[in-house]
Amino acid sequence: GENVEQHPSTLSVQEGDSAVIKCTYSDSASNYFPWYKQELGKRPQLIIDIRSNVGEKKDQRIAVTLNKTAKHFSLHITETQPEDSAVYFCAATPDYDKVIFGPGTSLSVIP
Amino acid sequence: NAGVMQNPRHLVRRRGQEARLRCSPMKGHSHVYWYRQLPEEGLKFMVYLQKENIIDESGMPKERFSAEFPKEGPSILRIQQVVRGDSAAYFCASSGQGAGYEQYFGPGTRLTVT
Repeated sequence: GENVEQHPSTLSVQEGDSAVIKCTYSDSASNYFPWYKQELGKRPQLIIDIRSNVGEKKDQRIAVTLNKTAKHFSLHITETQPEDSAVYFCAATPDYDKVIFGPGTSLSVIP
Repeated sequence: NAGVMQNPRHLVRRRGQEARLRCSPMKGHSHVYWYRQLPEEGLKFMVYLQKENIIDESGMPKERFSAEFPKEGPSILRIQQVVRGDSAAYFCASSGQGAGYEQYFGPGTRLTVT
């Protein structure tokens, strides 16, 4: 079955710097790759997603890139702010029945 | 439009008791997913249901766990004879079109087994 790996597991950056989180997946059939943000004690919320027919997508300070050949995708957050501190999960959908999440990256933005 | 609702938010059970977790999807959504999240870990897929059908239960333990999504009423995740290892946050999510589209998560039920 699909396996999603995510690195790093923890990440600390200074406010204003960029943060990059990388994920790899194993099932070449996966074609939808969402990213979720989960603040402490809260529910996960979608922040951006990308489909396999697109190589890059941007939404204000957040961007995601996808390399289908290498089976990896990345989240880029620019000009980080303290409110970006949270756990970020990447995910892949090997079929229309399930979403497989990575183990998460705990991001801390230091003011 | 109310979001995904889960109840109870917190549930304490003694070992051997049964736990029933309820999830009402967003209005108009017919796809429901259950996930388990252990402390400081990721979201583990358990089961995917549509009305009156279990589509994929490959992530659910074979024993003690069951799920349903009846024609009327909320989806229910049932854990029989709970053990301490069942202590976790259980999240329900719904979508309008299946796994290839945004999932909206409920607030979760935090189950503690004493």
